[in-house]
This record gives sequence, C-alpha cells and structure tokens, in this order.
Amino acid sequence: GQQVMQIPQYQHVQEGEDFTTYCNSSTTLSNIQWYKQRPGGHPVFLIQLVKSGEVKKQKRLTFQFGEAKKNSSLHITATQTTDVGTYFCAGQENTDKLIFGTGTRLQVFP
Amino acid sequence: DAMVIQNPRYQVTQFGKPVTLSCSQTLNHNVMYWYQQKSSQAPKLLFHYYDKDFNNEADTPDNFQSRRPNTSFCFLDIRSPGLGDAAMYLCATSRAYRRVSTDTQYFGPGTRLTVL
Repeated sequence: GQQVMQIPQYQHVQEGEDFTTYCNSSTTLSNIQWYKQRPGGHPVFLIQLVKSGEVKKQKRLTFQFGEAKKNSSLHITATQTTDVGTYFCAGQENTDKLIFGTGTRLQVFP
Repeated sequence: DAMVIQNPRYQVTQFGKPVTLSCSQTLNHNVMYWYQQKSSQAPKLLFHYYDKDFNNEADTPDNFQSRRPNTSFCFLDIRSPGLGDAAMYLCATSRAYRRVSTDTQYFGPGTRLTVL
C-alpha cells in the first residue's frame, strides 16, 4: 500500500536557525497537504500543493512539491519558539482520503 | 465558533467495556473521518464516510465500528476496548469531490481514551 515517509523524525534547533523537513511517497500523488500539530493539540491545515514543481510561501514557511509529485518539503526560515510542534505531510492519490506521513517533531530552543 | 466538536474530551473505560465517542460538525461537509493517534505517531485512518457511504480501512480491527445518522454527527464505537486501544481519537471533516479529491481536513480537538 501507499506509504509516506518523512525525515528527519526529530529536529532540535536554536531559535533563528532554519529548519527543513522532507516528505517522500512510494506512489505518485495527486496533491499533498501539510499540517502542524502543537504538543497536546490536533493537526491544523497549513497548505495544499497540487501542481508538479509548485512552490508556495507563507511568511517564513516555504513549501515545495516535487516534479514527479512523489516528494515535498517544508522549509522554515529563522525559526521561532512558536514553530514548535510536529509537522505532517499528507498525500492524496485520487481519492477522498489522506495518507499521513510519519511526521517531523521540531523543538526550538530560545 | 467550534466547527468540529468531539465529546468527551477525555474518556476512561475498563478493559472490555464498550465505549462510544462522538463527533459533530457545523461545516456541512460531506466527508467525516475517524483517526487513531498514538503517542509520537501519525494519525492512522480507521474509516470514513463519504455522505452515507461507509469506507473501512483494511487493517481496522472489527472491534471498531462507526455510525453516521446524519450529515452533522458521526460516532465511533469500540465494542471491547483492549489496552492497545488507548490513544487519541481524532475526528475530521472535509469537502470531497466525487471521491477523487478532498479539500482541507478540519480536525476536532480529539478524545483521549484511557483503558484500565
């Protein structure tokens, strides 16, 4: 079945440093979504990418969808303590359901 | 202005004692999902409803059942909870188009289930 892996599993950074998480699917995706889950919270939608090679930015966050639509990345510039949480990618393969990636837990030290 | 509501937020049950978790939505979305999330893991889809059409994941145990009496409500029934069923249960909703794609999923706050 379809699998979506993320690396790294954990990342500890000093506040102000950059952070990147990578997402890889075993199959070609129709689109990919990114979610953030704060400690003790529930996943919250960040963005959806649909087109091959698409790049979208939200303030300090940059999202990219690979040309082959099998991988994606999230880059945070100059992390802040409010960025702490687990970031999940979630892929779709022409269905009405998402397959969540394994997640990357980000810890930011002040 | 809660959009996806889950009750209760915390549920304690005994080994083997049936439990029902509830989810309601004010978004009028046609799809409702139930996920199980264990500590430090990704949400795992148990099943979902596309309108009234129930879709079970292949690896969801028979112990887990669901009901969707109307668009707004969906229930998760665990018939005989085991220790391994202790987890956070997340409900989510979305608007899907002819079952080939879906928009943003809106998650409820979750119900944390403890099995004694």
